[in-house]
Amino acid sequence: AQKVTQAQTEISVVEKEDVTLDCVYETRDTTYYLFWYKQPPSGELVFLIRRNSFDEQNEISGRYSWNFQKSTSSFNFTITASQVVDSAVYFCALRDSGSARQLTFGSGTQLTVLP
Amino acid sequence: EPEVTQTPSHQVTQMGQEVILRCVPISNHLYFYWYRQILGQKVEFLVSFYNNEISEKSEIFDDQFSVERPDGSNFTLKIRSTKLEDSAMYFCASSKHGTAQVEQYFGPGTRLTVT
Repeated sequence: AQKVTQAQTEISVVEKEDVTLDCVYETRDTTYYLFWYKQPPSGELVFLIRRNSFDEQNEISGRYSWNFQKSTSSFNFTITASQVVDSAVYFCALRDSGSARQLTFGSGTQLTVLP
Repeated sequence: EPEVTQTPSHQVTQMGQEVILRCVPISNHLYFYWYRQILGQKVEFLVSFYNNEISEKSEIFDDQFSVERPDGSNFTLKIRSTKLEDSAMYFCASSKHGTAQVEQYFGPGTRLTVT
């Protein structure tokens, strides 16, 4: 069975600091997909990124970057030069071919960026 | 940009009452999902639906729950006899395909409060 662990329950940073959100996953499948979603205070879930298990290249999108390491089963998310609008709960999620339709979410990390 | 919509945004009901939560998935998507998030906890998969049938469901999705696509646009979740522990945010999601690599797009959620 798959599992996603986000050990950091809450993180608080001051604006312009860099912050990394950790995600560790477990799956028996060799083919799987990892996702990050953002849940701002308004409550909706916003898709941020998908990575597949074949592609370990790190990805950068503006101030966001993702570090995928199969050797440690981790898919960490870094926000560079954080802003107050980044304050949200961030969820890491996994889908593998065994349960292709359901997303398994981690418990989320509450990020607060202080002005 | 097309998006998933959900109504109502907040529903208050008494224990034992039936509730129907409504969703309009993105129009060219074929797979539909319900997830729930008890306050402060992780997002949990309930059910996936394709071609007018349930394709996967979790242990949470017991006989009290049912889903339906009553017409070409709506997707509903019915809880027959609500319990206090059904209080949660319910998210509808949709995706173009049901394969693991395809991202699911979430609606804004319906907050269900059972009193």
